[in-house]
Amino acid sequence: EAGVAQSPRYKIIEKRQSVAFWCNPISGHATLYWYQQILGQGPKLLIQFQNNGVVDDSQLPKDRFSAERLKGVDSTLKIQPAKLEDSAVYLCASKLMGGHEQYFGPGTRLTVT
Amino acid sequence: AQRVTQPEKLLSVFKGAPVELKCNYSYSGSPELFWYVQYSRQRLQLLLRHISRESIKGFTADLNKGETSFHLKKPFAQEEDSAMYYCALSRLSYNTDKLIFGTGTRLQVFP
Repeated sequence: EAGVAQSPRYKIIEKRQSVAFWCNPISGHATLYWYQQILGQGPKLLIQFQNNGVVDDSQLPKDRFSAERLKGVDSTLKIQPAKLEDSAVYLCASKLMGGHEQYFGPGTRLTVT
Repeated sequence: AQRVTQPEKLLSVFKGAPVELKCNYSYSGSPELFWYVQYSRQRLQLLLRHISRESIKGFTADLNKGETSFHLKKPFAQEEDSAMYYCALSRLSYNTDKLIFGTGTRLQVFP
């Protein structure tokens, strides 16, 4: 079974630039999560999708972050414009509806200079 | 507010020694507690959850609601246990079952 795929694996941008991350969840997983993990901290949820609908985006900085999952499969997370404090690893995870285990991707390490 | 606390950033032991990684939580309802592990150059993965009451790779964790703790234990550490361990709490609120993670504890097992 293929795991959660993410790209790119690494990205370096300057502040005020834009960046987008892509996630392909495990086939059949209806629930998709984006987490932000700042160095030295645990992952923090940014947004959760159930199929193509948002069920929790309470901690998403909506003035600069956006995410979509148009067809209920792949998802993209965008930051525009980026700030220095956005430097982090962005993790995508997916889960079967009704399941208990979240499966994580390898993450995208973002450095904002 | 829901919170998970892992007081130790680093725990170093020798092979064969007992290990206890501490986790305390604050939550007003009935949480579901997990331990996730990240081995070097691998992705974050589930180790165990309190509901299953399983022993995975020799690790166990018991939910103590009185002390609001979910400590991870192993009687005899192995070198391959060296990894980053995260305690996490899940709450079912409305439709979200997001994980709230602690800051993690790095376990180093020396030969």
